[in-house]
Amino acid sequence: QKEVEQNSGPLSVPEGAIASLNCTYSDRGSQSFFWYRQYSGKSPELIMSIYSNGDKEDGRFTAQLNKASQYVSLLIRDSQPSDSATYLCAVRSGGYQKVTFGIGTKLQVIP
Amino acid sequence: GAVVSQHPSRVICKSGTSVKIECRSLDFQATTMFWYRQFPKQSLMLMATSNEGSKATYEQGVEKDKFLINHASLTLSTLTVTSAHPEDSSFYICSARDAARGIRNTEAFFGQGTRLTVV
Repeated sequence: QKEVEQNSGPLSVPEGAIASLNCTYSDRGSQSFFWYRQYSGKSPELIMSIYSNGDKEDGRFTAQLNKASQYVSLLIRDSQPSDSATYLCAVRSGGYQKVTFGIGTKLQVIP
Repeated sequence: GAVVSQHPSRVICKSGTSVKIECRSLDFQATTMFWYRQFPKQSLMLMATSNEGSKATYEQGVEKDKFLINHASLTLSTLTVTSAHPEDSSFYICSARDAARGIRNTEAFFGQGTRLTVV
């Protein structure tokens, strides 16, 4: 079982729609959760971090965490073509520096 | 925001030669730096964790004699790929933790990455 699982996609949404990206993780002791955006040929950039159950909103982005279900998601409202990228879910287990990345979901926003 | 500079961005080398990649934190002190490798259509795989002034901790399956890591100062870590082979061709990315931001901050700051091609 992979430690961090994501559907590789591609996920296609029309411009202006809500994009929903999902991630599950296997280590129940995980405490820190991150979403990164990676454009082709570039390094990842941090979009959101979340540590507690519930929702966390930042502009058009909302991260959702459910530790009981070991599930974390990212919603992108009013999707724009510039949001087209691969979104990486990353998880850090408590007390340990190592962060494990999922394979990433490729998002395509269609104009 | 914090900036991590990685150099070079692209390098082509001949099989059997060595390549050094530098990772610098420009406006913060990085007690810990991480080196990742990413093959096409795959996720980032952690190669090693580098702590300033001590030996790097390598992940299982990563040859420490092949991938030499030096973290001699709080702002610089280097990765040297020794005796490179075509299968080492990959995208190498470093990231750095800001010592001042505390335990919750993880490697939020990535370098630009280095595309290594071994011919």
